[in-house]
Amino acid sequence: NAGVTQTPKFQVLKTGQSMTLQCAQDMNHNSMYWYRQDPGMGLRLIYYSASEGTTDKGEVPNGYNVSRLNKREFSLRLESAAPSQTSVYFCASSLGASGTYEQYFGPGTRLTVT
Amino acid sequence: GENVEQHPSTLSVQEGDSAVIKCTYSDSASNYFPWYKQELGKRPQLIIDIRSNVGEKKDQRIAVTLNKTAKHFSLHITETQPEDSAVYFCAASSQGAQKLVFGQGTRLTINP
Repeated sequence: NAGVTQTPKFQVLKTGQSMTLQCAQDMNHNSMYWYRQDPGMGLRLIYYSASEGTTDKGEVPNGYNVSRLNKREFSLRLESAAPSQTSVYFCASSLGASGTYEQYFGPGTRLTVT
Repeated sequence: GENVEQHPSTLSVQEGDSAVIKCTYSDSASNYFPWYKQELGKRPQLIIDIRSNVGEKKDQRIAVTLNKTAKHFSLHITETQPEDSAVYFCAASSQGAQKLVFGQGTRLTINP
């Protein structure tokens, strides 16, 4: 099992450009998440999908959109990148069933917006 | 919404000593409290978690305690080793663990 995979690993964008971060999991998990990690601020939830076909906002959703393409894949889109979106982005997944809460993280995408 | 405060932001201990990291939360409805460890350049990984119906949980050298009345929980690492050096994050959730709110992190350094 590959677990949670993310592409790309690194990306540099100019202000105003758009891009999509891809995430996939092969653990048959129901729930998937997108976080951003900034120095000194821990991990902040951007969006999550409790199950296939549903998505909900987290703490910092502004400037982002998501798509739960199927049970395995959950993508994050930046429509018009801004320097404030420079960050490390982590995708995570969890079984989502009662009693099994552990979130498994992907390796992260380091995004720089100039 | 939930707010989680974590202290200290950095902690340095001698190998073999104990380390304690503390977190407070604001939402009395929170009922799930995980701790994640993140080594430099790596992804966060769950090391231990506790639910609100339990006051303490241990797993070998690590333990977590929860005080629901005071709304705080702590991570205890005993007999620290160099491989314990990492950033540790606490988190809290009240919505079936779907929406985790993380603390700011503690950088733990174990000195040989």
